Amino acid sequence: AQSVTQLGSHVSVSEGALVLLRCNYSSSVPPYLFWYVQYPNQGLQLLLKYTSAATLVKGINGFEAEFKKSETSFHLTKPSAHMSDAAEYFCAVSESGTASKLTFGTGTRLQVTL
Amino acid sequence: DTAVSQTPKYLVTQMGNDKSIKCEQNLGHDTMYWYKQDSKKFLKIMFSYNNKELIINETVPNRFSPKSPDKAHLNLHINSLELGDSAVYFCASNKGLGQPQHFGDGTRLSIL
Repeated sequence: AQSVTQLGSHVSVSEGALVLLRCNYSSSVPPYLFWYVQYPNQGLQLLLKYTSAATLVKGINGFEAEFKKSETSFHLTKPSAHMSDAAEYFCAVSESGTASKLTFGTGTRLQVTL
Repeated sequence: DTAVSQTPKYLVTQMGNDKSIKCEQNLGHDTMYWYKQDSKKFLKIMFSYNNKELIINETVPNRFSPKSPDKAHLNLHINSLELGDSAVYFCASNKGLGQPQHFGDGTRLSIL
C-alpha cells in the first residue's frame, strides 16, 4: 500500500531564504510523485511531478524536487522564498495499477516572514 | 475556460437533508475523482470513475452515491447528511495512470 509522510506540519522561513519541505513515501512499486500547493479557499494546483524520467524535477514558481530512491524521499526546495509562496503544500503518491488515485501527505503550511 | 468546475462553491444545510454537488471537466479526461478534505486539511480519495465506470470506492458510507452521466461529469449525492460530513469536497480529473490530476476549487459543505 502506498503512503506519504510529510515531516513538519508548519515551516517558517524568512523572505529570501531557502525553502525545504520534506516528503517521504512508501510504495510497493515504482511510484509517481507529485507536489501540490493550496492557497486559502482554493483548490490544489500542481507544482511538479516525478514520473521516472529525471530524478531532479523542476516545477512552477521556481520550485524543484529531487527523487531519491535510496532514501524514499521527494523533498521540495526553492532557493529563495517569496511572500507569495505562503500556502499549504501537499506531497502525493500514485501507484501503477488500474486506478491512479492520489494518496496525500498531511500537508505542510509554509509561512514566509519579512 | 475553467478546466474543472464544481457547483455550488458553498453549501450550508441541516442535518438529515439530502444534497448534491456537481462537477464538470472540459479537459477531455477519461478519469474523474472525488476527494474529501477535513478540517485538519487532510485529503482522502472517495471515488473514481473511468469513462463512466466506477473504479475506486474507498470506505465511504453508502449515504454517498456518485453518478457519472458521461465522462465529462461526475456528481456526488449525499443522503441524510450528518455533522461529520462537514468538509471541503474536491473534484479532480486526469488523462490516466501517472498523469497529474487537475482539481476544482472545492465545495465547502457545512452541516448545521
